[in-house]
Amino acid sequence: KAGVTQTPRYLIKTRGQQVTLSCSPISGHRSVSWYQQTPGQGLQFLFEYFSETQRNKGNFPGRFSGRQFSNSRSEMNVSTLELGDSALYLCASSLDGGKDTQYFGPGTRLTVL
Amino acid sequence: AQSVAQPEDQVNVAEGNPLTVKCTYSVSGNPYLFWYVQYPNRGLQFLLKYITGDNLVKGSYGFEAEFNKSQTSFHLKKPSALVSDSALYFCAVRDDDYKLSFGAGTTVTVRA
Repeated sequence: KAGVTQTPRYLIKTRGQQVTLSCSPISGHRSVSWYQQTPGQGLQFLFEYFSETQRNKGNFPGRFSGRQFSNSRSEMNVSTLELGDSALYLCASSLDGGKDTQYFGPGTRLTVL
Repeated sequence: AQSVAQPEDQVNVAEGNPLTVKCTYSVSGNPYLFWYVQYPNRGLQFLLKYITGDNLVKGSYGFEAEFNKSQTSFHLKKPSALVSDSALYFCAVRDDDYKLSFGAGTTVTVRA
């Protein structure tokens, strides 16, 4: 089975712009979670989608949003980018959440200038 | 709220020696615990998990972890470390809201 894929792998944006990141889960997985990784804050949970519904959300401002499509693919959007949004954004998929193992993609490295 | 702590920022061992990466957890219910490893510029790779059952869990690449309920610990171990084990290791706990809460990570360096 193919693993979790994320596109693009690298992005450079300027402050005030918006960005959309994409995640394709492992085939058959219905839960997709997003995490932000920074040197200062470590790994922080953004949100989780299951069957096109946001099931849980972390403590991030409303500039961070996401969605999931009927084929379980997910996108996350960050509007009005700030310098502090520079991070590695990781997507993880699992069968249906709960006790299932989450498998991570390679991440998208976002740099905000 | 669930949380995990990794008390050591760095662990240095010689190749061939045992490797231990420490993790302690705090949960209100049953703990669902995970270990992941991250290589530079890569995503996280799953190593092993504890859901229920045997306290000694065996995982990928020769790693194992021991669940200790009384000490609320879930230490990762490898009997004989390799240089290629040098990476960043994360302990995580799954909470009731389906999200993973991660520790700060431990950088492991295995010297030849």
